[in-house]
Amino acid sequence: GPKVLQIPSHQIIDMGQMVTLNCDPVSNHLYFYWYKQILGQQMEFLVNFYNGKVMEKSKLFKDQFSVERPDGSYFTLKIQPTALEDSAVYFCASSPDWGGAYTQYFGPGTRLLVL
Amino acid sequence: DAKTTQPDSMESTEGETVHLPCSHATISGNEYIYWYRQVPLQGPEYVTHGLQQNTTNSMAFLAIASDRKSSTLILPHVSLRDAAVYHCILRTYSGGSNAKLTFGKGTKLSVKS
Repeated sequence: GPKVLQIPSHQIIDMGQMVTLNCDPVSNHLYFYWYKQILGQQMEFLVNFYNGKVMEKSKLFKDQFSVERPDGSYFTLKIQPTALEDSAVYFCASSPDWGGAYTQYFGPGTRLLVL
Repeated sequence: DAKTTQPDSMESTEGETVHLPCSHATISGNEYIYWYRQVPLQGPEYVTHGLQQNTTNSMAFLAIASDRKSSTLILPHVSLRDAAVYHCILRTYSGGSNAKLTFGKGTKLSVKS
């Protein structure tokens, strides 16, 4: 199926530092998503993004989080500053539209460890 | 908000046909039924989806009850690589605040050789 890429696959940083997670969505997709999964727990929605704007965010999307997609480049999740509880696997997804008829495709995840 | 009910776990043997049930008694007329699967340390993989009619693809057959209050994902001739957590998720046709996927615990499918 369509491929979503995520860079890096792993990231280890010290608490308080900034981190940027990169997502290369499917080329013709217009809607982008970030999800968070703590080891052994359920996947949880963070945010979705379309046309340069956040369309919906969950309570997990703290003020320290931001997303953007400068033209033609990666869809990014930035955390500044990081906290210990941000340690998790972050999954990016994309879809051509956001209705229920349009499938979201996921990347392999970035494993973030905050020390 | 979960709106679907699945067994916590199921066991199978290689080569068998597996039936994974999902109950969604309060499904709305504009909600699609999606199935994803996830193996540890990997992203969710899309399996199939449907609205009213049964659907089939190279991975699975989705049988949807005539009243749409339940569905069954049928995996023919399972192999070890089919071992995963399978999630049954409802998504509204119109998107909006329901554009996100809401994952539950899903059904953990074990496959023995």
